[in-house]
Amino acid sequence: DGGITQSPKYLFRKEGQNVTLSCEQNLNHDAMYWYRQDPGQGLRLIYYSQIVNDFQKGDIAEGYSVSREKKESFPLTVTSAQKNPTAFYLCASSISAGREQFFGPGTRLTVL
Amino acid sequence: DAKTTQPNSMESNEEEPVHLPCNHSTISGTDYIHWYRQLPSQGPEYVIHGLTSNVNNRMASLAIAEDRKSSTLILHRATLRDAAVYYCILRVIGGGTSYGKLTFGQGTILTVHP
Repeated sequence: DGGITQSPKYLFRKEGQNVTLSCEQNLNHDAMYWYRQDPGQGLRLIYYSQIVNDFQKGDIAEGYSVSREKKESFPLTVTSAQKNPTAFYLCASSISAGREQFFGPGTRLTVL
Repeated sequence: DAKTTQPNSMESNEEEPVHLPCNHSTISGTDYIHWYRQLPSQGPEYVIHGLTSNVNNRMASLAIAEDRKSSTLILHRATLRDAAVYYCILRVIGGGTSYGKLTFGQGTILTVHP
């Protein structure tokens, strides 16, 4: 089945540790995105990539980093510089920038 | 970025039509109107989008005002599975690094009663 996978579904980390969230898609999409969602709020864009080996900061990039070395993969690292990392993280992809986005199931990160 | 305004919540009965409004008075001529919905603890799901003309697909219809300052998502017969948060979003088109960005607001929580 084609789609977007995010792993793990739930993730717990100690404060001060970096953590990397996985996002993989087999839809052959060029564009990929990372969003953060806090309880009762809408999604906020962290980083996005219109094509492999290129990415841009979104609205809340501070404390996060990404890479896009392969078309199908767009991992997000939550660094210790992110002051409030506990949130629901969603990855999405689209066939090209500007087209409808398909979302993964999300990873719920809790920093203890 | 142009913003959208939606009611915080709406309620409907099962098998009745639902009209979800969205105001976007500062929309520019090149912004597409997108609708997504999100079920609890899941990622959002694309519903429909349009530019100027009304649009229909298997999930819903989108009615766009002539001046494009408002739009309405229409679910023709609500089911319990339609209970979700519905987001109305203006998508920037054209080139540049902003191309394709979606800015999510808080959306409308739709409750469907049996």
